[in-house]
Amino acid sequence: GENVEQHPSTLSVQEGDSAVIKCTYSDSASNYFPWYKQELGKRPQLIIDIRSNVGEKKDQRIAVTLNKTAKHFSLHITETQPEDSAVYFCAASLGGAGNMLTFGGGTRLMVKP
Amino acid sequence: DVKVTQSSRYLVKRTGEKVFLECVQDMDHENMFWYRQDPGLGLRLIYFSYDVKMKEKGDIPEGYSVSREKKERFSLILESASTNQTSMYLCATKILSYEQYFGPGTRLTVT
Repeated sequence: GENVEQHPSTLSVQEGDSAVIKCTYSDSASNYFPWYKQELGKRPQLIIDIRSNVGEKKDQRIAVTLNKTAKHFSLHITETQPEDSAVYFCAASLGGAGNMLTFGGGTRLMVKP
Repeated sequence: DVKVTQSSRYLVKRTGEKVFLECVQDMDHENMFWYRQDPGLGLRLIYFSYDVKMKEKGDIPEGYSVSREKKERFSLILESASTNQTSMYLCATKILSYEQYFGPGTRLTVT
């Protein structure tokens, strides 16, 4: 089955700096890569996703890049703010019945004011 | 708005007890999922269901079973709870082609 590895497990940045979280996946047939943000005590929520036919996608201060050849994808957050502090999860999906997601281990991002 | 509710936010059970965790969604979605969340391990899929009475094993089904008698309700059952099943349990439903919407979670402690 699919295996997703995520790095780093914790990341501390100063407000205004950029943050980058990286994930690798094992199954070259995976075709969908979402990122979820989980604030303390809350449910995970989708913040951005990318499909395998696209190399990069942006939404205001966040962007995701995908390198299918290397089987890795990354989340980029620019001009970080304290409210960006949360745990971020990457995931990969092979599609098919149920479109199951395989998640990475998570990254705890701390933005220091 | 999608609404996914879980029966309890916090639950404390004893080893060997039978435990039921319930998840209800109000959007008539076919696909529902149960995950457990542990620090450093992310979210791991236990079971999912793509229709009433249909279920598929996820990555870590051992020690768990599920029931889906009605479309809106997906139950996770721990037949005989053990301390290594202490965890946060999250239910999700698939709302768009791929996006999953999560419930608030149940923090289960088995003593």
